[in-house]
Amino acid sequence: DQQVKQNSPSLSVQEGRISILNCDYTNSMFDYFLWYKKYPAEGPTFLISISSIKDKNEDGRFTVFLNKSAKHLSLHIVPSQPGDSAVYFCAASGDPSGSRLTFGEGTQLTVNP
Amino acid sequence: DTGVSQNPRHKITKRGQNVTFRCDPISEHNRLYWYRQTLGQGPEFLTYFQNEAQLEKSRLLSDRFSAERPKGSFSTLEIQRTEQGDSAMYLCASSTASPYEQYFGPGTRLTVT
Repeated sequence: DQQVKQNSPSLSVQEGRISILNCDYTNSMFDYFLWYKKYPAEGPTFLISISSIKDKNEDGRFTVFLNKSAKHLSLHIVPSQPGDSAVYFCAASGDPSGSRLTFGEGTQLTVNP
Repeated sequence: DTGVSQNPRHKITKRGQNVTFRCDPISEHNRLYWYRQTLGQGPEFLTYFQNEAQLEKSRLLSDRFSAERPKGSFSTLEIQRTEQGDSAMYLCASSTASPYEQYFGPGTRLTVT
């Protein structure tokens, strides 16, 4: 059972435009959500997170939106830069110890110059 | 700034052999996690330590897999009698007591021939 799902395997945008990456989850016990970025041959790099008590968190060019009723979150990157080209993973946590992260399948973002 | 390190970065082994991977977490992090990632998928949780205590194991961690963190610092993941299905990227992550923001190492890529 895929509890965290990223339905778009890939996304291509022009430099300077907005990139919107989407993520859906099914487990209502999830209460903390994270986005990671991964370059080839490297481990995932933490990008931004959001608690379920908020609906928006912003850090520079990156903003994460959470819609709890729809069990949906999105990552907005504005403006997109070629260096943002990477695989983006959505992850969620919610077990009592806060230990395991459950990841989506990832979305390959390509930002074209 | 010393991040999470993993050794070796690549391992090729024949089916039936045993392999051991090492993870050195960020020094002040008391939590350590192991994940496995296969092509086209997000990382999947394997196990988690708080200090030297192994607190959680996924059902993915068959009895051929064993993980240790003997002094609450580095950790090892051993796979006995490797199978071709064990071929994957093995990722280690660490965090402080604020559990959700896990920081990943570069991974060990295992190929079983």
